[in-house]
Amino acid sequence: AQKITQTQPGMFVQEKEAVTLDCTYDTSDPSYGLFWYKQPSSGEMIFLIYQGSYDQQNATEGRYSLNFQKARKSANLVISASQLGDSAMYFCAMREDTGGFKTIFGAGTRLFVKA
Amino acid sequence: EAGVAQSPRYKIIEKRQSVAFWCNPISGHATLYWYQQILGQGPKLLIQFQNNGVVDDSQLPKDRFSAERLKGVDSTLKIQPAKLEDSAVYLCASSSYASGGQLYQETQYFGPGTRLLVL
Repeated sequence: AQKITQTQPGMFVQEKEAVTLDCTYDTSDPSYGLFWYKQPSSGEMIFLIYQGSYDQQNATEGRYSLNFQKARKSANLVISASQLGDSAMYFCAMREDTGGFKTIFGAGTRLFVKA
Repeated sequence: EAGVAQSPRYKIIEKRQSVAFWCNPISGHATLYWYQQILGQGPKLLIQFQNNGVVDDSQLPKDRFSAERLKGVDSTLKIQPAKLEDSAVYLCASSSYASGGQLYQETQYFGPGTRLLVL
């Protein structure tokens, strides 16, 4: 069964520094996708980055990169040069190719960026 | 390109009352999702439509929740009667996924959500 684990309920980072948000997953399906979403206090889930299980390169989108370690089943989000506007909840999610239409979300990590 | 629209943004009702939420997906998106997000948790899928057909409603409490997408565009989620434990944010999402594509690569785009408080 698919499962997503985010072990950090809250993280603090100094403005302009980099931060890593952890995500581990469990699946027996060789084909799957991993997603990170940002949820500010306004409530909207904002798509950040996607990594496919067959992708050879780690995904990058601007200041966001995904540290994908397939053998360890981890998909950590790295945010470089943190900004005050990065303060939000961050959710890791997974969808299996054979898992029907469900996307499973982790419990989330709340990031606080300090000035 | 306009994003996913939802209304109302906030709703407060008393238990045993009924409530309805509306969602308009991104133009051209065939697939529409409703999620329930309880405070402190990640979103949980309630129902998924592809065009106007239901493809997954296994986690929808069908004794009180219903949803429809009659013309394959906008959708309505209803709760009747509401319980205290229904207090949550209800998120609508859409994607351009159509049959035959790689399902696991599909990216969902979310609306701002409706915050429901049941007293």
